[in-house]
Amino acid sequence: DTEVTQTPKHLVMGMTNKKSLKCEQHMGHRAMYWYKQKAKKPPELMFVYSYEKLSINESVPSRFSPECPNSSLLNLHLHALQPEDSALYLCASSQDTAGGYEQYFGPGTRLTVT
Amino acid sequence: TQLLEQSPQFLSIQEGENLTVYCNSSSVFSSLQWYRQEPGEGPVLLVTVVTGGEVKKLKRLTFQFGDARKDSSLHITAAQPGDTGLYLCAGDLYNFNKFYFGSGTKLNVKP
Repeated sequence: DTEVTQTPKHLVMGMTNKKSLKCEQHMGHRAMYWYKQKAKKPPELMFVYSYEKLSINESVPSRFSPECPNSSLLNLHLHALQPEDSALYLCASSQDTAGGYEQYFGPGTRLTVT
Repeated sequence: TQLLEQSPQFLSIQEGENLTVYCNSSSVFSSLQWYRQEPGEGPVLLVTVVTGGEVKKLKRLTFQFGDARKDSSLHITAAQPGDTGLYLCAGDLYNFNKFYFGSGTKLNVKP
């Protein structure tokens, strides 16, 4: 099983709202990732968690707050977003962050900020 | 500047034609992956290449990793409309603990 699940599938939120995106994998992977993808562009890395610790933050604004409650779950908390934050948010996982491991993606959450 | 240069950016061909997509870099990668993505969905992993000079085949798709591990290619034989999508290459550098994506190739196969 190489499944990464994400909820919700779609989310519409106002600029003053607080919402969370959720990601789950049961492959025993110890690395999990958040990406942001705009239309017709490649995914842009936001955060990397390794063994439940934040290892990479690609200078993401603080209105995005990641959380890794355990090795299977990854959340992305959203607060005071801007319309330009509207995008497809992708979660991914891999066995480890060391070289040579395959990365598997979830189906994404389509976020619209109004 | 993109670490992985992918070409062409767009490709529109007739069903039955062959095509090749390239992914090039001046950096050495420990592995390189190819994905196919449909609109509104997450990228689906097609293959991972790890060894320099490696060739992998997946039905009508042939993937090659350069001898120096700096480049890769994806060749599709007798393309079908179902091959339509965004093709992405992604590589991981030694000790950088993250994946770098190419800019993507948008393929449209017309029936």
